Amino acid sequence: KQEVTQIPAALSVPEGENLVLNCSFTDSAIYNLQWFRQDPGKGLTSLLLIQSSQREQTSGRLNASLDKSSGRSTLYIAASQPGDSATYLCTPWGNMLTFGGGTRLMVKP
Amino acid sequence: NAGVTQTPKFQVLKTGQSMTLQCAQDMNHNSMYWYRQDPGMGLRLIYYSASEGTTDKGEVPNGYNVSRLNKREFSLRLESAAPSQTSVYFCASSPLGGSSSYEQYFGPGTRLTVT
Repeated sequence: KQEVTQIPAALSVPEGENLVLNCSFTDSAIYNLQWFRQDPGKGLTSLLLIQSSQREQTSGRLNASLDKSSGRSTLYIAASQPGDSATYLCTPWGNMLTFGGGTRLMVKP
Repeated sequence: NAGVTQTPKFQVLKTGQSMTLQCAQDMNHNSMYWYRQDPGMGLRLIYYSASEGTTDKGEVPNGYNVSRLNKREFSLRLESAAPSQTSVYFCASSPLGGSSSYEQYFGPGTRLTVT
């Protein structure tokens, strides 16, 4: 059974910092890996999708990398802003989409 | 293009009552999913439908039934609600095939409380 661990569980930083959110998963037989953000009381918004054959994807200030063989993915957020405050979820897709506990990010003005 | 919509947004049930959560997508996706989200547990898959006419159990199917009414709609039914089913329920959909296969799109959620 796939298990997903996200570190750190919570993070509080001042505005402007560059951030690294880490994700590890136990089963490397995945089709892709998707990063979501979830705002309190809201649904999930897809940020980036990395196919299993890809090493990274970029969207604006976000960059996600995937090392499938070692079961790791990293989400890099450049020049963080208060609007980035949310929970970030890493979800590898093997037999099904498996969610980790997420990283709760707070960016202070 | 509304994406994935869910009704109702909020619901309070008494133990033993039944209800159906509705989900619809307008993206012509083949696959649809139901998840529940509980504090400290993350999201867990209840049921999914890989294509119209098929449904399969996920990680936590007990106490639930689903119907894939057509390609657009996928409903989740609680026949006899229990307090353990208090949760936030999310519906999602995804296309099949192509470079964007398996990317999932989520609805806004239904907050269900069972007393």
